[in-house]
Amino acid sequence: DVKVTQSSRYLVKRTGEKVFLECVQDMDHENMFWYRQDPGLGLRLIYFSYDVKMKEKGDIPEGYSVSREKKERFSLILESASTNQTSMYLCASSRDYPGANSPLHFGNGTRLTVT
Amino acid sequence: GQNIDQPTEMTATEGAIVQINCTYQTSGFNGLFWYQQHAGEAPTFLSYNVLDGLEEKGRFSSFLSRSKGYSYLLLKELQMKDSASYLCAVRVDNYGQNFVFGPGTRLSVLP
Repeated sequence: DVKVTQSSRYLVKRTGEKVFLECVQDMDHENMFWYRQDPGLGLRLIYFSYDVKMKEKGDIPEGYSVSREKKERFSLILESASTNQTSMYLCASSRDYPGANSPLHFGNGTRLTVT
Repeated sequence: GQNIDQPTEMTATEGAIVQINCTYQTSGFNGLFWYQQHAGEAPTFLSYNVLDGLEEKGRFSSFLSRSKGYSYLLLKELQMKDSASYLCAVRVDNYGQNFVFGPGTRLSVLP
């Protein structure tokens, strides 16, 4: 089974702090994603990466950056945390398999609270 | 733009059948996925449709009509453990890099 591991389940940070969320997958997937999930808004894509050192902005990239130095690891960085970034953050990975059933595999999520 | 609609909440009784609908208007279409998400947990993959018709997988079935931009997830013989949110997602590109999610339907199964 694919395993996507996020380093923290719960985090509490102060406004203005730099925050790192780490994600590791063990299935050699090409694609990795960071979503945030808020009640009533569903999952919204922050950034994704289709290869090492490659990144693409999603729908809501403002206030975030990412790093993918190794294929299995994708990090989300909040340069200066703000209270409106309090949310559940979900990392996901998928195989790069055009035209076929290639679902997203999610980590367990990190619930971040910014005070 | 991209838009996916689902009912916000549904309630059903243990042992019954429930149908969760999903309508979509997206810039592209390369498959529709259903995920189950229990409270506080990660979404897990349930089913995939890319051609019109019904896909059956045990107690769960999923239907797709591409011409209508419509899908549903059918859950039979409901169990208490089926209480969860169900997310509809459309893959809008060919490379598995661009998924659009609906808001999710929270299903409560009552005894």
